[in-house]
Amino acid sequence: AQKVTQAQTEISVVEKEDVTLDCVYETRDTTYYLFWYKQPPSGELVFLIRRNSFDEQNEISGRYSWNFQKSTSSFNFTITASQVVDSAVYFCALSEPSWGAGSYQLTFGKGTKLSVIP
Amino acid sequence: DGGITQSPKYLFRKEGQNVTLSCEQNLNHDAMYWYRQDPGQGLRLIYYSQIVNDFQKGDIAEGYSVSREKKESFPLTVTSAQKNPTAFYLCASSPLGGSYEQYFGPGTRLTVT
Repeated sequence: AQKVTQAQTEISVVEKEDVTLDCVYETRDTTYYLFWYKQPPSGELVFLIRRNSFDEQNEISGRYSWNFQKSTSSFNFTITASQVVDSAVYFCALSEPSWGAGSYQLTFGKGTKLSVIP
Repeated sequence: DGGITQSPKYLFRKEGQNVTLSCEQNLNHDAMYWYRQDPGQGLRLIYYSQIVNDFQKGDIAEGYSVSREKKESFPLTVTSAQKNPTAFYLCASSPLGGSYEQYFGPGTRLTVT
């Protein structure tokens, strides 16, 4: 079973539409961290947000917002009023204790390719 | 500016040749990582290092080797034993601990024919 599932492989929206990218994770740990990264066509991953397992507050940053729900093991990402520059592949990732004392492993979902059409 | 550099951006090799990908960081991070990305796939961990002269295998280490002689450098060698070496390779670094985000380099696209 995948630890991080991004069920939407590709999404296309028209500019100014809102879009939500889904992320479902699986872990047995009580302490873990969730991340979203953006990968534009240039290839470099850009960090967007981090959330720890004890903080279920939703977060808004400009046109971006994140909804973390432990009850459904989901960490969804919404872009409001999408723009062409939002076109990219978005990855959700889970960091959980793995390799030994103080060590964590970061597991990525397969990504969602978002295309914003002008 | 602080960051991670990877060189070259594109690399072409003939089958059977070893090739080394460079990764340098000036962020003073202790941990460094190598990931492989195939089309339509997420990132898969090849190797990671938490301290100089020490490194651990990730999920897909077979056919790869690394060294960590300096804190700021973590080169990856793709050996001829790697059956499907053509891929996009990303290097990352972070402070130690799972709460920190990883910072990524621009990547190297390796094509082996």
